[in-house]
Amino acid sequence: EPEVTQTPSHQVTQMGQEVILRCVPISNHLYFYWYRQILGQKVEFLVSFYNNEISEKSEIFDDQFSVERPDGSNFTLKIRSTKLEDSAMYFCASSEAQGSAFFGQGTRLTVV
Amino acid sequence: RKEVEQDPGPFNVPEGATVAFNCTYSNSASQSFFWYRQDCRKEPKLLMSVYSSGNEDGRFTAQLNRASQYISLLIRDSKLSDSATYLCVVNRGKAAGNKLTFGGGTRVLVKP
Repeated sequence: EPEVTQTPSHQVTQMGQEVILRCVPISNHLYFYWYRQILGQKVEFLVSFYNNEISEKSEIFDDQFSVERPDGSNFTLKIRSTKLEDSAMYFCASSEAQGSAFFGQGTRLTVV
Repeated sequence: RKEVEQDPGPFNVPEGATVAFNCTYSNSASQSFFWYRQDCRKEPKLLMSVYSSGNEDGRFTAQLNRASQYISLLIRDSKLSDSATYLCVVNRGKAAGNKLTFGGGTRVLVKP
């Protein structure tokens, strides 16, 4: 069964450093997303990406964040100058069309 | 008002019993609706889509009431493995970047 894969599964970084979270969406999917979930809180939308551009982003997704699809398979989230409050589980997701999405297993980011 | 609201629970359910819970959404432009399941520290997994006519998948029944803007999930003959957090999710379609908006989740604990 096709799945969304994310690497690394856990990333520890020092405050102020840059991190890149990587995702390989399901191959025939057209929409790609990043969500985050702070421990004990709800899943929050960050950004959606369609046709090689951002189609929607939330208030959380400020200039500190960027996304890229550097080749035909990878989809990355870059967080510049990380802050303690960026510590969360980051989920990548993809969907074939409008509707539901399939989620990767997540990257747990810990900023120290 | 939160866009998607759920009773956080927990709902303590004897094994074999039936449990039902609702979710309300605030945006009448929402186009598609889903229940996801999330186990502790894992990714959300699609449980089922929700249709206006109501739909069933084994022991799970979902209903959508567009007029009152609520969605329900009923679990019959509860199993221990049904213990999880159930996430109500709405999608406002392509105009909103096809993003999924999550409720805070309803925690269900099935006990022997």
